[in-house]
Amino acid sequence: SQQGEEDPQALSIQEGENATMNCSYKTSINNLQWYRQNSGRGLVHLILIRSNEREKHSGRLRVTLDTSKKSSSLLITASRAADTASYFCATGDSGGYQKVTFGTGTKLQVIP
Amino acid sequence: DAGVIQSPRHEVTEMGQEVTLRCKPISGHNSLFWYRQTMMRGLELLIYFNNNVPIDDSGMPEDRFSAKMPNASFSTLKIQPSEPRDSAVYFCASSLALGGGYTFGSGTRLTVV
Repeated sequence: SQQGEEDPQALSIQEGENATMNCSYKTSINNLQWYRQNSGRGLVHLILIRSNEREKHSGRLRVTLDTSKKSSSLLITASRAADTASYFCATGDSGGYQKVTFGTGTKLQVIP
Repeated sequence: DAGVIQSPRHEVTEMGQEVTLRCKPISGHNSLFWYRQTMMRGLELLIYFNNNVPIDDSGMPEDRFSAKMPNASFSTLKIQPSEPRDSAVYFCASSLALGGGYTFGSGTRLTVV
C-alpha cells in the first residue's frame, strides 16, 4: 500500500526555474526521505529529514517537513535539464523496524 | 564500492518457468529490501531482511514468490511458476540501518510471456 502521495503527478518547467513537489502521508513517521529516479534506472537517495526537523538543505535541494499537516515539500532551485526525472517521497514509520514506504512519484521535466 | 549489484539486468521467460533474481548488497549494510515497480501499482515493498533474517514478507504477492538471504552478501528472489502479471522491474536495495537512506540496485526487468 502507498503511504505517501506526491503532488503534482507531473511538472514541466523551464531550465533555471524552481521546482516544488509536495508529499502527503497518513500515519506517524520516524523520518521522510526523497529519492530521484531517472528513466530505466534505480532510485537514488537525495535527502532524509527526521520527524523532529522542520527544514533541511543539500546543495540546490531544500526539504521541509510539517508533521502536524503530515506533509513535506521538495524544492529544487535553479533547475537544470539533468534534473529531469521522477521524484519519490518515502516515509520511515515509527515502528520498531521503521518500515519505509514509497509514494507515487512526481515526474519532473526541465526544458532546456 | 560497486554499489548494490543485481543480476540479470533483463530476463525474458515463458509462463510457468522458474525465475531467480539475484542481489549483492553493499558490504556492511545489514538491511536488504526487495521492491517491485510497475506503472499500475508503483513501487511495492515485497520483503525485507535485517541481519539476514526476514522481518516482513507481507508484501510478497503469493506463495509463488520466495526470498532468501543465506549470508550477508547475497539474496535471491524466486518466482515459481512465473506468470505474465509478474512482469515488472524488480529492485533490490540495502541500507546501513532500518529506516535510513537506501541504496538501490539498477533493477532486473522481468518479462513473462
